[in-house]
Formats: sequence, structure tokens, C-alpha cells
Amino acid sequence: NAGVTQTPKFQVLKTGQSMTLQCAQDMNHEYMSWYRQDPGMGLRLIHYSVGAGITDQGEVPNGYNVSRSTTEDFPLRLLSAAPSQTSVYFCASTGRVNSPLHFGNGTRLTVT
Amino acid sequence: AQTVTQSQPEMSVQEAETVTLSCTYDTSESDYYLFWYKQPPSRQMILVIRQEAYKQQNATENRFSVNFQKAAKSFSLKISDSQLGDAAMYFCAYRRYSLIFGTGTRLQVFP
Repeated sequence: NAGVTQTPKFQVLKTGQSMTLQCAQDMNHEYMSWYRQDPGMGLRLIHYSVGAGITDQGEVPNGYNVSRSTTEDFPLRLLSAAPSQTSVYFCASTGRVNSPLHFGNGTRLTVT
Repeated sequence: AQTVTQSQPEMSVQEAETVTLSCTYDTSESDYYLFWYKQPPSRQMILVIRQEAYKQQNATENRFSVNFQKAAKSFSLKISDSQLGDAAMYFCAYRRYSLIFGTGTRLQVFP
């Protein structure tokens, strides 16, 4: 059972480049979400989804797009990377509102 | 909007002693869930303990327990018999629909 799988683990981008962070879960969870973690800021919610075809914005959605075409996958797209998006990104999923989140191992993104 | 506040950026404790990490939150909801997560240097997020707001009884998991004060919107974590392996970042989190995290408390454990 793989749980939540994030790829890549590390990525370096130049300003203005685009890329997609992949997230997949094999637990049939309805709820999936993306967080970014910056020093001293904790984890901040970027976007989340409560099911296939349904997405919504979190605290810091600007500069990011998401889609949820299947229950398993929840990719995060950076359309035009900026140095302010340098961070560690976590994907998480859960099946029920009162259940703990299952986290991926994170992606360290550096934008130069 | 809901907010979660952890006012202690860093805490330290001697091995085998007890330490309490503070967390307060703000919400207008009556039904929600609260969590404490541990993040060691490996970056992995590990659930420590959770509390349902409708339950008055404080949650306990082995050496970890919470003091949940719903009226005061307070949710502190007590670690008893601290061990070197408890050293990590600890995040308090609130959940109604999405999960909102505090800024974290770095716990150091000294032998």
C-alpha cells in the first residue's frame, strides 16, 4: 500500500518556468489537499478537493492551479514560477473529515 | 476564517521530564476536530493525537495527552516522560473542512 506519493522530491526552476507537482493516493480518499511549508510559517493550505471534479482555494492559492479529474490524482501546477514560490510542498489525503491526513513525503522546490 | 496560534516558537525539556505545548484557535463553528502533528527532520508528518470537539474527555495516547478547553478555544499538548526521539517540530491543527495549521513549536530534548 503506497499511501500518498509525491513526485518529484526535489526540483529547481528558473523564474517564469512552469511545472506540475504530482500527487497520487491509492486509498480511495475523497479529500485531497496541497500545502506549502515555509520557515516560521507552518503549513499553509494552497488548494483542496473534496472529490473528483471539485476543487477550492485555500489560504494561499495565487500562482497555483489544480484539477481533480480522478479520485486518485491531484496535481498542482505552477504556471509561471516565482522566487516567492520556493518552498517545501506537501500533498495530503483523507477519507473522512474526522480522520487524520495522510501526507506525502514532500517536494522541495527552489525557484531561482 | 479559522486561525490557529502557537505562541511558543521553541521549547526545551530535559529527558524524562514533562513539557506542555500551547495552542489556541479561533472559530465560530461548534463541531470540528483538532490534531497535533509531529515533524522530525525527515520532514514526515506524523499524527500524535486528535480530539473531537464534541467530546469533553481529553484525548490520551500513551505519553501524550491534551488539555482541551472548548470555551477558551485552547488545545495544549502534554508530553510526559520526554524522550530524545520526541525532539521535532510540533504543529497544532484545526479541521472543520480543510485543515488549518499553526506555525509550529520546535521542541528540543536534552539528555
